[in-house]
Amino acid sequence: EVQLVESGGGLVQPGGSLRLSCVGSGFTFSRYPMNWVRQAPGKGLEWVSYISSGGSTIYYADSVKGRFTISRDDAKNSLYLQMDSLRDEDTAVYHCARDRGYCSSGSCPTYWYFDLWGRGTLVTVSS
Amino acid sequence: EIVLTQSPGTLSLSPGERATVSCRASQSVSSTYLGWYQQRPGQAPRLLIYGISTRATGIPDRFSGSGSGTDFTLTISRLEPEDFALYYCQQYGSPPLTFGGGTKVEIK
Repeated sequence: EVQLVESGGGLVQPGGSLRLSCVGSGFTFSRYPMNWVRQAPGKGLEWVSYISSGGSTIYYADSVKGRFTISRDDAKNSLYLQMDSLRDEDTAVYHCARDRGYCSSGSCPTYWYFDLWGRGTLVTVSS
Repeated sequence: EIVLTQSPGTLSLSPGERATVSCRASQSVSSTYLGWYQQRPGQAPRLLIYGISTRATGIPDRFSGSGSGTDFTLTISRLEPEDFALYYCQQYGSPPLTFGGGTKVEIK
């Protein structure tokens, strides 16, 4: 089955750290750009971070730049999000999402819309 | 940053009825870079439409997208029980990509 499964969420105090993981299965994980997208309680979706296939290109939303670090380990079919200096406003369900782009024959496009999502992991920042 | 405003916030309809969800952008969306997602309670979002009007793989033809510039519409021609869910639009033509606030389609 083609799927993404996140883990690592939990309750953390403001200023604390947390590392999220996302494991992909049923597809060639290494060939896809990946993203993190979050959803605060009762709010809409917010894009957080992007990593290209191969990991050479990374982007962050301004709201998390300098505090969050995205990475991937293709040998483990895994995507990570290291979250430091957490704030109350980082409370959300964090989804990993696969870009529709696919690396093939030396071409690695990014389409910036997402054709596979995980159910998410809840991060609660509170004292 | 392009702000996407969806309306209505909640749409109360009966199975078999037609649903129309609006998405208005604060500035023109580049090219055809507008998509729609569905999210059922407790589930992952699912891509419905990309490129304004192209249905994603496996999406039934009762779902359609239209629009241009700053005004876009998702239409569900005849609501099935599984269509009662949250719907989000997304623009990906101008960084950072942004999503609308969502429209809940609920059973009347």
